[in-house]
Parts: sequence; structure tokens; C-alpha cells
Amino acid sequence: GAGVSQSPRYKVAKRGQDVALRCDPISGHVSLFWYQQALGQGPEFLTYFQNEAQLDKSGLPSDRFFAERPEGSVSTLKIQRTQQEDSAVYLCASSPNPTGELFFGEGSRLTVL
Amino acid sequence: SQQGEEDPQALSIQEGENATMNCSYKTSINNLQWYRQNSGRGLVHLILIRSNEREKHSGRLRVTLDTSKKSSSLLITASRAADTASYFCATDLSGTYKYIFGTGTRLKVLA
Repeated sequence: GAGVSQSPRYKVAKRGQDVALRCDPISGHVSLFWYQQALGQGPEFLTYFQNEAQLDKSGLPSDRFFAERPEGSVSTLKIQRTQQEDSAVYLCASSPNPTGELFFGEGSRLTVL
Repeated sequence: SQQGEEDPQALSIQEGENATMNCSYKTSINNLQWYRQNSGRGLVHLILIRSNEREKHSGRLRVTLDTSKKSSSLLITASRAADTASYFCATDLSGTYKYIFGTGTRLKVLA
């Protein structure tokens, strides 16, 4: 597709379940970012990949959060043992270079009950 | 934590009026970007201004940057109902690959 694709768009999980969120970036984009956006707030940085290398994971809120991009294209954000405070929209963005315009997907809205 | 803060938090104007929103940030940057987000959607890039630029235009958008005051403003001229959205500034932290977003301004343009 032409843009960044995220799936699922909506996910409801029971507390304690594991979830996996997928991001298909624009083909050829080197940089990939994950952000978390709570209701009414701005996006908060989670992690950054340059190709398959995770160069910055300082924003991941706990060791329950894990992200990977094994072949330098598709990325998965995994959240283990979900908690209610994990409820948010998870946004993926890609860019042809680290310091340029970010192209965002529509996000995955996670609700933890 | 968020490095940028937009002001005002919310703004309501009539169609045809101009809308101005401001962004302040805390540390040195290489560039600053403005994004727009419609409710329930992803963010869309509007404009990027580099630290050595003072003003940039794109259609009905005008962005200024004052690095001495660590602030930027976004002006939307001749606003339309379709401009109703949240607007965010994003700054890169020098020496990192992070883009840090502000808290956003919710703009409502009344027809």
C-alpha cells in the first residue's frame, strides 16, 4: 500500500493477556517509530528503529513492552501481561531518513479491561 | 515526558478568521515540525522548519521559529471548517533520533 498500515485497528484485551500490534511501514523507509497516545494527549515516544536495529528504546514504559523489526521492514510491538494503564492508541510512523517528515499510520487502539 | 507545550490548549474561531497557535520547547533542536490530527485518525505532517530558518510558508500555513525563545507559532489563514483538528508541534532532541510531541491545540472552526 501507499501508506503506513497498522493492525489491528482495535483490540480489546483482558488484563493479563499478551497483545501484538503490527506495523507495515512505507516500502524503503529506513526509520520506524512507535508512539503511545493517551486520550487527549500528544504522542509519547516509545522506541526507534533504523532498519532492523533498535537504536532507542528509552520510551518503553516497562519490561512488559517489547518491539522488534527483524528484517528491517515490518515491526511488531508486543505488550505482555497487559494492565489497564496500557489502554491507549499505539501509533507507528516511518520516515525515509531519521530527521525528516514522519508518515503515521492510523494507529491501533488498545483497550484493556 | 513531553518537551513541547502548545498554547492555547483549545481554540474556537469562525470560518474565515485566522488561527494562531504557539509551541514552546525546552532544549536545543535541529528542526521543528507541525502535525495535524483529525479525531480518531493518525497524524499528518504539515510543515518542517529547520533551526537556521525563521519563517516558512505552505499554502495557508505560516510557521515561525525563534530559537532564542525556544518557541514556534503556526498561523492558519482564512480558516475553514475542515481545519477543525488537533495540532501538534514536534521537536527532535539534538543528538537523538527522538521526535518529542507537545500537548496539542484543539482547533474548532465554526461554519
